[in-house]
Amino acid sequence: DTAVSQTPKYLVTQMGNDKSIKCEQNLGHDTMYWYKQDSKKFLKIMFSYNNKELIINETVPNRFSPKSPDKAHLNLHINSLELGDSAVYFCASSQEVLGEQYFGPGTRLTVT
Amino acid sequence: GENVEQHPSTLSVQEGDSAVIKCTYSDSASNYFPWYKQELGKGPQLIIDIRSNVGEKKDQRIAVTLNKTAKHFSLHITETQPEDSAVYFCAASRGGSSGSARQLTFGSGTQLTVLP
Repeated sequence: DTAVSQTPKYLVTQMGNDKSIKCEQNLGHDTMYWYKQDSKKFLKIMFSYNNKELIINETVPNRFSPKSPDKAHLNLHINSLELGDSAVYFCASSQEVLGEQYFGPGTRLTVT
Repeated sequence: GENVEQHPSTLSVQEGDSAVIKCTYSDSASNYFPWYKQELGKGPQLIIDIRSNVGEKKDQRIAVTLNKTAKHFSLHITETQPEDSAVYFCAASRGGSSGSARQLTFGSGTQLTVLP
């Protein structure tokens, strides 16, 4: 009965590689988000999709590309990984009218 | 854009005592203020929220107050228990109109430790 799930939970990779993180929500929400949490635990929004359309796109390198195949899924693809990309990435979802955002368990990305 | 400041960064209390965490925000148009609890290795969990048309909201041992004039809001936890130990985040946002999404701006977090 997981609400927001992410895979993988841990991801260790080398600089220059391309990787993807997947997110799925079974709450019936129409808006999904990607957040980055750095080593100091600071949480910052990266992207938001509403009904499969990009509506928030913060200052994020274009090596990061979100893709939403349907309302229940929002994947994050990262090209040419850099050391500074190491962080915990959280997916979240909400129903736009109510606005409460529910977070997934996170994906810890380590770039070596 | 919105800027949210959160204090203190660390807070230690004895079990049974109260804990208070304070946040200030800069955007007077912000109208939604959630609080999240993040346990080690887990995602942030929404514990309580307040909207700008309300001054106070309570849910069992947790309460949140909002002062729109001063642009600050606080989280109060009474009768703290060891399982309350976690990082707590405040956030603020505006929006929520049709076709839009709430862009949450988070505070920097407070590490709460409840000592048994």
